[in-house]
Amino acid sequence: ETGVTQTPRHLVMGMTNKKSLKCEQHLGHNAMYWYKQSAKKPLELMFVYNFKEQTENNSVPSRFSPECPNSSHLFLHLHTLQPEDSALYLCASSQGSTGSYEQYFGPGTRLTVT
Amino acid sequence: GENVEQHPSTLSVQEGDSAVIKCTYSDSASNYFPWYKQELGKRPQLIIDIRSNVGEKKDQRIAVTLNKTAKHFSLHITETQPEDSAVYFCAAGLIQGAQKLVFGQGTRLTINP
Repeated sequence: ETGVTQTPRHLVMGMTNKKSLKCEQHLGHNAMYWYKQSAKKPLELMFVYNFKEQTENNSVPSRFSPECPNSSHLFLHLHTLQPEDSALYLCASSQGSTGSYEQYFGPGTRLTVT
Repeated sequence: GENVEQHPSTLSVQEGDSAVIKCTYSDSASNYFPWYKQELGKRPQLIIDIRSNVGEKKDQRIAVTLNKTAKHFSLHITETQPEDSAVYFCAAGLIQGAQKLVFGQGTRLTINP
């Protein structure tokens, strides 16, 4: 267990649904990340939060809406998704300051959009 | 922005032989280059990283070399073992608190017994 958990692990949703992915880290880190991983593309950075503030939005469509209420929790709110959004969504965290720069990944949420 | 190219996409080597994976990056400002290993069905995990102020770093059977002038870096695995079979990702980015990492396309390494 790396200390980063994600729920749910699997999610099937229709294009008109609204759902949320949750990530929690128990490592005392200050930075949290959302990545998309699909068969066609490598790890794609979506959003970066440092000390609860969003520092990066990698041109992600507005149907993905992140929320970071505190340094331990990160959400990804989903609405009106497209089938091409089906992928593994990985959350990660890091210290976000001097020292170790290692990003610790969660197990991911496998999302299927029907 | 940064662009990272990784080669080869697949690599098959005999157990005990060495494996080399190469990456190039485009942004000369990048100063942090980690390598992550992802076993089938599992999460990516950091195996080694290097900062731009050093040219080589080694950790047991794994080593990474960096050529800042040419903007390329490589992962070297010696005395490969079956448990080295996985997908390996290189990445490049800037250390600035939280890191914005751009990952390569991944290399699927298979170790044949």
